[in-house]
Amino acid sequence: DAKTTQPTSMDCAEGRAANLPCNHSTISGNEYVYWYRQIHSQGPQYIIHGLKNNETNEMASLIITEDRKSSTLILPHATLRDTAVYYCIVAYGQNFVFGPGTRLSVLP
Amino acid sequence: AAGVIQSPRHLIKEKRETATLKCYPIPRHDTVYWYQQGPGQDPQFLISFYEKMQSDKGSIPDRFSAQQFSDYHSELNMSSLELGDSALYFCASSLGVVGGGSYEQYFGPGTRLTVT
Repeated sequence: DAKTTQPTSMDCAEGRAANLPCNHSTISGNEYVYWYRQIHSQGPQYIIHGLKNNETNEMASLIITEDRKSSTLILPHATLRDTAVYYCIVAYGQNFVFGPGTRLSVLP
Repeated sequence: AAGVIQSPRHLIKEKRETATLKCYPIPRHDTVYWYQQGPGQDPQFLISFYEKMQSDKGSIPDRFSAQQFSDYHSELNMSSLELGDSALYFCASSLGVVGGGSYEQYFGPGTRLTVT
């Protein structure tokens, strides 16, 4: 079973920031938090990952709470092409377990 | 940048037939993973290989087998196909997995298998 809990769905207005939360209260000290997204039936796309510190790349920012029990993925300026299912995955090494994810709809 | 290549992209088979799916990882990636995604479901891990050796095993049916070759490409062999095997099959690749750590997996476009 997935070690994460995410909202089933969220809406976001185009051009606004999308903040996707994830709870992982049972995360172990050596487990990383990964975010992927899947647009329709395409292969999951890697977005970002982190261990303890906040991370930022060209796609998104990842904010991890100090106790590491939750995190937030931030898409700073959502576009219609960001409509997808977003998966938060907690893993050590290679064992990825995909949970239900959050279906993000970016609205015009 | 080069991505993971999967072939074929679409495959139609009849019940009890066999199928072989191929995966070519990103250059210099030595670890390959296979996932199955049924209709309306989330991707489910099947099996992975590191340096041509099986490194982890998930919910892969006994009717399925896989291997990784010397050039790091991988093949998923599926026998005695059942209707329930109809799904998207994704391959992902990453750099070496040694004792855990941070290993981003990069996914291919998938093979859509339809069993009739």
